[in-house]
Amino acid sequence: GENVEQHPSTLSVQEGDSAVIKCTYSDSASNYFPWYKQELGKGPQLIIDIRSNVGEKKDQRIAVTLNKTAKHFSLHITETQPEDSAVYFCAASRHGDYKLSFGAGTTVTVRA
Amino acid sequence: DVKVTQSSRYLVKRTGEKVFLECVQDMDHENMFWYRQDPGLGLRLIYFSYDVKMKEKGDIPEGYSVSREKKERFSLILESASTNQTSMYLCAAGDYEQYFGPGTRLTVT
Repeated sequence: GENVEQHPSTLSVQEGDSAVIKCTYSDSASNYFPWYKQELGKGPQLIIDIRSNVGEKKDQRIAVTLNKTAKHFSLHITETQPEDSAVYFCAASRHGDYKLSFGAGTTVTVRA
Repeated sequence: DVKVTQSSRYLVKRTGEKVFLECVQDMDHENMFWYRQDPGLGLRLIYFSYDVKMKEKGDIPEGYSVSREKKERFSLILESASTNQTSMYLCAAGDYEQYFGPGTRLTVT
């Protein structure tokens, strides 16, 4: 099955700086790559996703890049704010398969 | 927005007890999921249901079963709870985009 590895496990950044989280996947048939954000006491929530026919996608301060050849994708958060402090999960799935394989998560702390 | 609710936020059970975790969604989604979340392991899929009375095993189904009698409700059952099932349990509904409930933190003593 799919194996998704996520790095780093923790990330501390100064407010206003950028944060980058990287994930690799093993199944070359995977073609859907979402990112979820989990705030304290809540369930994960989708923040951005990318499909394999696209190399990059941006939504305000967050962006995701995908390199299908190398089988890795990354989340970029620019101009970080305290409300960006949370646990972030990457995931992968195949076309037509709604089962997601998640990474281990990255705890992001934004220092004021 | 889809709302997913879980019956309990915190639950403490004894080893050997039968445990029911209930999940309800309000948006008519065909697909519902049960995950467990453990530090350093992320979210792991226990079971998946794609229709009423239809289910599919996920990555870690051992020790669990599920029930889906109505479209909006998906139950996770621990037939005989064990201490290694102490975890956070998350229910979700949706397709590519999954909507999660707040989770149930289960402690088995």
